[in-house]
Amino acid sequence: GQNIDQPTEMTATEGAIVQINCTYQTSGFNGLFWYQQHAGEAPTFLSYNVLDGLEEKGRFSSFLSRSKGYSYLLLKELQMKDSASYLCADLYSGAGSYQLTFGKGTKLSVIP
Amino acid sequence: ETGVTQTPRHLVMGMTNKKSLKCEQHLGHNAMYWYKQSAKKPLELMFVYNFKEQTENNSVPSRFSPECPNSSHLFLHLHTLQPEDSALYLCASSQDLAGGQGAETQYFGPGTRLLVL
Repeated sequence: GQNIDQPTEMTATEGAIVQINCTYQTSGFNGLFWYQQHAGEAPTFLSYNVLDGLEEKGRFSSFLSRSKGYSYLLLKELQMKDSASYLCADLYSGAGSYQLTFGKGTKLSVIP
Repeated sequence: ETGVTQTPRHLVMGMTNKKSLKCEQHLGHNAMYWYKQSAKKPLELMFVYNFKEQTENNSVPSRFSPECPNSSHLFLHLHTLQPEDSALYLCASSQDLAGGQGAETQYFGPGTRLLVL
Protein backbone atom coordinates (compact mmCIF):
# COMPACT_ATOMS: atom_id res chain seq x y z
CA GLY A 1 0.00 0.00 0.00
CA GLN A 2 0.85 3.70 0.08
CA ASN A 3 2.14 5.96 -2.71
CA ILE A 4 -1.40 6.87 -3.67
CA ASP A 5 -1.61 8.73 -6.97
CA GLN A 6 -4.72 10.46 -8.27
CA PRO A 7 -5.31 13.50 -10.50
CA THR A 8 -5.28 16.85 -8.77
CA GLU A 9 -8.27 18.38 -10.48
CA MET A 10 -11.05 17.45 -12.89
CA THR A 11 -13.95 19.33 -14.42
CA ALA A 12 -17.15 17.78 -15.73
CA THR A 13 -20.57 18.91 -16.88
CA GLU A 14 -23.80 18.50 -14.96
CA GLY A 15 -25.59 15.32 -16.02
CA ALA A 16 -22.41 13.73 -17.41
CA ILE A 17 -20.29 10.81 -16.20
CA VAL A 18 -16.82 11.22 -14.71
CA GLN A 19 -14.20 8.65 -13.77
CA ILE A 20 -11.57 9.44 -11.15
CA ASN A 21 -8.57 7.11 -11.23
CA CYS A 22 -6.31 6.07 -8.40
CA THR A 23 -3.16 3.94 -8.33
CA TYR A 24 -1.40 2.54 -5.28
CA GLN A 25 1.41 0.22 -4.32
CA THR A 26 0.15 -3.34 -4.08
CA SER A 27 2.37 -4.59 -1.24
CA GLY A 28 0.53 -4.88 2.07
CA PHE A 29 -2.79 -4.04 0.48
CA ASN A 30 -5.91 -4.67 2.57
CA GLY A 31 -8.62 -2.60 0.96
CA LEU A 32 -9.33 0.53 -1.05
CA PHE A 33 -11.59 3.32 0.15
CA TRP A 34 -13.11 6.36 -1.50
CA TYR A 35 -14.20 9.39 0.49
CA GLN A 36 -15.93 12.61 -0.53
CA GLN A 37 -14.90 15.86 1.12
CA HIS A 38 -16.69 19.14 0.56
CA ALA A 39 -14.67 22.28 1.22
CA GLY A 40 -14.37 22.94 4.94
CA GLU A 41 -16.08 19.69 5.90
CA ALA A 42 -15.04 16.24 7.07
CA PRO A 43 -14.50 13.36 4.64
CA THR A 44 -17.54 11.14 4.26
CA PHE A 45 -17.30 7.47 3.34
CA LEU A 46 -18.37 6.53 -0.19
CA SER A 47 -17.12 3.03 -0.94
CA TYR A 48 -14.88 0.16 0.05
CA ASN A 49 -13.35 -2.44 -2.27
CA VAL A 50 -11.33 -5.41 -1.14
CA LEU A 51 -12.01 -7.79 -4.03
CA ASP A 52 -11.58 -7.20 -7.76
CA GLY A 53 -14.51 -5.84 -9.66
CA LEU A 54 -17.12 -3.15 -9.64
CA GLU A 55 -19.19 -2.14 -6.63
CA GLU A 56 -22.25 -0.07 -7.47
CA LYS A 57 -24.05 2.18 -5.03
CA GLY A 58 -26.61 4.43 -6.63
CA ARG A 59 -24.98 7.04 -8.85
CA PHE A 60 -21.53 6.11 -7.55
CA SER A 61 -19.54 3.01 -8.46
CA SER A 62 -16.04 1.95 -7.50
CA PHE A 63 -13.77 -0.49 -9.30
CA LEU A 64 -10.70 -2.35 -8.08
CA SER A 65 -7.95 -4.32 -9.79
CA ARG A 66 -5.60 -5.67 -7.14
CA SER A 67 -3.06 -7.05 -9.58
CA LYS A 68 -2.69 -3.65 -11.24
CA GLY A 69 -2.86 -1.57 -8.06
CA TYR A 70 -5.65 0.43 -9.67
CA SER A 71 -9.05 1.73 -8.69
CA TYR A 72 -11.52 4.21 -10.06
CA LEU A 73 -14.58 6.02 -8.80
CA LEU A 74 -17.34 6.49 -11.35
CA LEU A 75 -19.91 9.21 -10.82
CA LYS A 76 -22.99 9.18 -13.05
CA GLU A 77 -25.65 11.81 -13.68
CA LEU A 78 -23.46 14.45 -12.13
CA GLN A 79 -25.11 17.07 -9.97
CA MET A 80 -23.76 20.43 -8.87
CA LYS A 81 -23.57 19.15 -5.29
CA ASP A 82 -21.02 16.54 -6.43
CA SER A 83 -18.43 19.33 -6.63
CA ALA A 84 -15.98 18.24 -3.94
CA SER A 85 -12.65 16.57 -3.38
CA TYR A 86 -12.59 12.80 -3.77
CA LEU A 87 -10.02 11.02 -1.67
CA CYS A 88 -8.60 7.62 -2.53
CA ALA A 89 -7.22 5.73 0.49
CA ASP A 90 -5.42 2.43 0.76
CA LEU A 91 -5.58 0.29 3.90
CA TYR A 92 -2.05 -0.86 4.28
CA SER A 93 -0.79 -3.52 6.66
CA GLY A 94 2.79 -4.02 7.62
CA ALA A 95 4.75 -5.05 10.72
CA GLY A 96 1.51 -5.90 12.52
CA SER A 97 -0.10 -2.51 12.03
CA TYR A 98 -2.88 -1.26 9.81
CA GLN A 99 -2.94 2.26 8.43
CA LEU A 100 -5.17 4.11 6.04
CA THR A 101 -3.02 6.14 3.66
CA PHE A 102 -4.76 8.91 1.75
CA GLY A 103 -3.98 10.42 -1.60
CA LYS A 104 -4.00 14.20 -2.00
CA GLY A 105 -7.50 14.07 -3.39
CA THR A 106 -9.05 14.97 -6.72
CA LYS A 107 -10.92 18.25 -6.74
CA LEU A 108 -13.96 17.81 -8.99
CA SER A 109 -15.75 20.84 -10.32
CA VAL A 110 -19.18 20.25 -11.84
CA ILE A 111 -20.22 23.00 -14.23
CA PRO A 112 -23.68 23.71 -15.69
CA GLU B 1 -26.12 12.75 19.18
CA THR B 2 -24.96 10.31 16.56
CA GLY B 3 -21.70 9.71 14.74
CA VAL B 4 -18.43 11.38 15.64
CA THR B 5 -18.37 14.78 17.30
CA GLN B 6 -15.45 17.11 17.89
CA THR B 7 -15.01 20.20 20.01
CA PRO B 8 -14.11 22.94 19.62
CA ARG B 9 -14.81 23.43 15.93
CA HIS B 10 -12.43 26.38 15.74
CA LEU B 11 -9.46 27.26 17.92
CA VAL B 12 -6.97 30.09 17.88
CA MET B 13 -4.01 29.78 20.21
CA GLY B 14 -0.66 31.36 20.86
CA MET B 15 2.55 29.37 20.79
CA THR B 16 2.78 29.33 24.60
CA ASN B 17 -0.80 28.20 25.22
CA LYS B 18 -2.02 24.78 26.27
CA LYS B 19 -5.29 23.55 24.82
CA SER B 20 -7.07 20.27 24.25
CA LEU B 21 -9.16 18.92 21.40
CA LYS B 22 -11.94 16.52 22.23
CA CYS B 23 -13.49 13.77 20.15
CA GLU B 24 -16.42 11.55 21.03
CA GLN B 25 -17.89 8.72 19.01
CA HIS B 26 -21.39 7.36 19.51
CA LEU B 27 -21.02 4.39 17.17
CA GLY B 28 -19.78 1.73 19.59
CA HIS B 29 -16.48 1.50 17.74
CA ASN B 30 -13.27 0.11 19.16
CA ALA B 31 -10.68 2.10 17.22
CA MET B 32 -10.13 5.86 17.12
CA TYR B 33 -7.75 8.02 15.12
CA TRP B 34 -6.30 11.51 14.93
CA TYR B 35 -5.44 12.99 11.54
CA LYS B 36 -3.94 16.29 10.45
CA GLN B 37 -5.05 17.91 7.21
CA SER B 38 -3.02 20.83 5.90
CA ALA B 39 -3.69 22.76 2.72
CA LYS B 40 -2.39 21.07 -0.43
CA LYS B 41 -1.34 17.95 1.51
CA PRO B 42 -3.00 14.59 2.01
CA LEU B 43 -4.57 13.58 5.29
CA GLU B 44 -1.77 12.58 7.65
CA LEU B 45 -2.36 9.90 10.26
CA MET B 46 -1.09 10.99 13.67
CA PHE B 47 -2.25 8.46 16.25
CA VAL B 48 -4.28 5.27 16.42
CA TYR B 49 -5.97 3.82 19.47
CA ASN B 50 -7.54 0.38 19.63
CA PHE B 51 -9.49 -0.61 22.75
CA LYS B 52 -7.98 2.45 24.50
CA GLU B 53 -4.41 1.35 23.75
CA GLN B 54 -2.21 3.39 21.45
CA THR B 55 -1.14 1.27 18.50
CA GLU B 56 0.36 3.90 16.21
CA ASN B 57 2.34 7.09 16.65
CA ASN B 58 3.43 8.32 13.26
CA SER B 59 6.51 10.21 14.41
CA VAL B 60 4.37 13.00 15.80
CA PRO B 61 6.22 15.72 17.76
CA SER B 62 5.81 15.52 21.52
CA ARG B 63 4.01 18.87 21.61
CA PHE B 64 0.99 16.76 20.55
CA SER B 65 -0.10 14.41 23.32
CA PRO B 66 -3.05 12.06 22.82
CA GLU B 67 -5.21 10.57 25.53
CA CYS B 68 -7.86 7.88 25.26
CA PRO B 69 -9.67 7.33 28.58
CA ASN B 70 -12.20 4.93 27.06
CA SER B 71 -13.25 3.61 23.67
CA SER B 72 -15.68 6.48 23.11
CA HIS B 73 -13.46 9.45 23.90
CA LEU B 74 -10.21 10.70 22.45
CA PHE B 75 -8.30 13.84 23.33
CA LEU B 76 -5.39 15.65 21.71
CA HIS B 77 -3.51 17.84 24.16
CA LEU B 78 -1.60 20.70 22.58
CA HIS B 79 1.27 22.71 24.07
CA THR B 80 3.93 25.05 22.71
CA LEU B 81 2.70 24.62 19.15
CA GLN B 82 4.27 26.23 16.11
CA PRO B 83 2.54 28.24 13.37
CA GLU B 84 3.11 25.35 10.94
CA ASP B 85 0.84 23.24 13.16
CA SER B 86 -2.11 25.29 11.95
CA ALA B 87 -4.39 22.82 10.17
CA LEU B 88 -7.66 20.93 10.33
CA TYR B 89 -7.48 18.17 12.93
CA LEU B 90 -9.82 15.32 12.23
CA CYS B 91 -10.88 12.53 14.51
CA ALA B 92 -12.21 9.26 13.11
CA SER B 93 -13.42 5.94 14.43
CA SER B 94 -13.90 2.44 13.05
CA GLN B 95 -15.40 -0.75 14.36
CA ASP B 96 -12.00 -2.44 14.27
CA LEU B 97 -8.53 -1.85 12.86
CA ALA B 98 -8.97 -4.57 10.27
CA GLY B 99 -10.84 -7.78 9.68
CA GLY B 100 -12.67 -7.26 6.43
CA GLN B 101 -16.41 -6.94 5.93
CA GLY B 102 -15.95 -3.19 6.16
CA ALA B 103 -15.19 -3.20 9.89
CA GLU B 104 -12.17 -1.02 9.21
CA THR B 105 -14.21 1.71 7.51
CA GLN B 106 -13.41 4.98 9.24
CA TYR B 107 -16.02 7.62 9.98
CA PHE B 108 -14.84 11.16 10.52
CA GLY B 109 -15.86 13.93 12.83
CA PRO B 110 -16.30 17.51 11.55
CA GLY B 111 -12.78 18.50 12.61
CA THR B 112 -11.23 21.31 14.59
CA ARG B 113 -9.80 24.17 12.56
CA LEU B 114 -6.68 25.23 14.49
CA LEU B 115 -4.77 28.46 13.99
CA VAL B 116 -1.50 28.94 15.86
CA LEU B 117 -0.30 32.52 16.10
